[in-house]
Amino acid sequence: DAKTTQPNSMESNEEEPVHLPCNHSTISGTDYIHWYRQLPSQGPEYVIHGLTSNVNNRMASLAIAEDRKSSTLILHRATLRDAAVYYCILREKGNTPLVFGKGTRLSVIA
Amino acid sequence: EAQVTQNPRYLITVTGKKLTVTCSQNMNHEYMSWYRQDPGLGLRQIYYSMNVEVTDKGDVPEGYKVSRKEKRNFPLILESPSPNQTSLYFCASSPNPVRHEQYFGPGTRLTVT
Repeated sequence: DAKTTQPNSMESNEEEPVHLPCNHSTISGTDYIHWYRQLPSQGPEYVIHGLTSNVNNRMASLAIAEDRKSSTLILHRATLRDAAVYYCILREKGNTPLVFGKGTRLSVIA
Repeated sequence: EAQVTQNPRYLITVTGKKLTVTCSQNMNHEYMSWYRQDPGLGLRQIYYSMNVEVTDKGDVPEGYKVSRKEKRNFPLILESPSPNQTSLYFCASSPNPVRHEQYFGPGTRLTVT
């Protein structure tokens, strides 16, 4: 399975943008890049996914490098509610399980 | 409200006493799965089901059973729980196996003494 590498933790000030990096140098052509987050005492929550092009949704933006070996999840204005562990996951389309690594613990400071 | 529910949310039991953790979704999803989350190991898939009466093993199926008799329910059964099954369990569902987003339940914290 292709692996992802994320920083263990990051910190952001409230109402500022946050860029969460993910390296996946062994990504295959059929791997989609997924981001989930897990708020304290809750189950994981889907954030966004993409294949080659940058993606935007109501929660975040996903910027994918041209060579697809890295990506960045962008939260445009961090709020206290965004404090969570963020997981970058590679998954082929189809029935393959989500493999969660350790993720990045994001702290948001008021 | 569209959701995945799990019961119980917390359970303390003793070694060898059979237990069932229920999972139910009200979104008419075909695909359901169970994960366990352990410190330092992340979430690992236990079992999954692509539709009614279709189940298959995930990465860590030993010691667990599942059934999918109805579309909405996907119970996790521990026939003879052991302390190494102490963990946080999550049920998830998705409209179908090829959809990217999965919806997770709130979790069940199980302690086996």
